[in-house]
Amino acid sequence: AQTVTQSQPEMSVQEAETVTLSCTYDTSESDYYLFWYKQPPSRQMILVIRQEAYKQQNATENRFSVNFQKAAKSFSLKISDSQLGDAAMYFCAYRSGDTLAGSYQLTFGKGTKLSVIP
Amino acid sequence: GAGVSQSPSNKVTEKGKDVELRCDPISGHTALYWYRQSLGQGLEFLIYFQGNSAPDKSGLPSDRFSAERTGGSVSTLTIQRTQQEDSAVYLCASSPRGSSYEQYFGPGTRLTVT
Repeated sequence: AQTVTQSQPEMSVQEAETVTLSCTYDTSESDYYLFWYKQPPSRQMILVIRQEAYKQQNATENRFSVNFQKAAKSFSLKISDSQLGDAAMYFCAYRSGDTLAGSYQLTFGKGTKLSVIP
Repeated sequence: GAGVSQSPSNKVTEKGKDVELRCDPISGHTALYWYRQSLGQGLEFLIYFQGNSAPDKSGLPSDRFSAERTGGSVSTLTIQRTQQEDSAVYLCASSPRGSSYEQYFGPGTRLTVT
């Protein structure tokens, strides 16, 4: 079974600064996807960024980028120029790429609560 | 367009009662997921529906939990004889098909069992 670990229950960052959230995972699969989801107080999970395991290039979406280290099974999220609206819970998630398995559910880490200090 | 909707937003029930939670996925999405988010366990997968295929029920924690999806659209999660440990936020997500990358989440139902 796959596991996802987020070792930082809480983080804080000054507005306009950069912060990195950590995530490690364990899997025996070679084909998979990794995601970072944001959950504000409204509870609605919002996809921030995704990474396909077969791609060596790190994914980037505006101020959000990842550092994907496949051999180390590490998938960290960097938020640049932090804004007040970035304050939320952030979840790292794993999804199998094996379409034959038929199981496309996400396996989540326990989350990191990010506070942004004005 | 409309996103995933869930009702009720909040539900308080007495221990031992049955509850039904509803999910309306995005129109045209064939894949639907239920997850449970609780303080102690984080986010856990419960059940997955894909079109007319048999659902993947491997995440349901006990036989008190069941779900159905009528007409390939609306889904209902039923919890019978609720227990205090069932208190959690129940999240529904849908995607165009099972293999799609992104799952679109609803706002969840917060269930409190007293």
